[in-house]
Amino acid sequence: AQKVTQAQTEISVVEKEDVTLDCVYETRDTTYYLFWYKQPPSGELVFLIRRNSFDEQNEISGRYSWNFQKSTSSFNFTITASQVVDSAVYFCALTTRSSNTGKLIFGQGTTLQVKP
Amino acid sequence: DAGVIQSPRHEVTEMGQEVTLRCKPISGHNSLFWYRQTMMRGLELLIYFNNNVPIDDSGMPEDRFSAKMPNASFSTLKIQPSEPRDSAVYFCASSLYQGEEKLFFGSGTQLSVL
Repeated sequence: AQKVTQAQTEISVVEKEDVTLDCVYETRDTTYYLFWYKQPPSGELVFLIRRNSFDEQNEISGRYSWNFQKSTSSFNFTITASQVVDSAVYFCALTTRSSNTGKLIFGQGTTLQVKP
Repeated sequence: DAGVIQSPRHEVTEMGQEVTLRCKPISGHNSLFWYRQTMMRGLELLIYFNNNVPIDDSGMPEDRFSAKMPNASFSTLKIQPSEPRDSAVYFCASSLYQGEEKLFFGSGTQLSVL
């Protein structure tokens, strides 16, 4: 069975602080895909990143970076020098190839509040 | 492309009424998903279609819920009869290929059943 756990329900930081959002996943499949989505207060869900299970390279995009570690089944997301506009709910998600159903399972989400 | 289009944005109805939510996916996308978001249960996958065919509807809560995709550019999610516990935000999303590719979400329909 697939499962995504985001243990941090809410995080509050002050602007310019760095913050890491944790994501731990469970799957027995060897081929899978991990995602992060952002849901700002306006409500829409916005894609941030997609990684496949064969690519463990960390990725950086501006102030955002992602650390994928298969050894610990984690796909953590770091925001450097946070800004108020980063305030949102962030979701980690997982789908696997072998299940052949294409289900994308989301974690419960982490609410990030960045205070000025 | 205009993105995934959902209608209505807001729906307020009384218990027992039929509710129909609509979705137009991005042109060329083969997969369409319906999710429901609540505070208690988070984002739940209700059903998804691949090439207009329902692949997995195990998330549909009960027989009161039904979904159709008559063609590649339109899908509906129907609740009949509606109940207060159906109150949630319903999202439609589409992707090029199942859940392996990134999902593009619509703006959602905020449903309130009184």
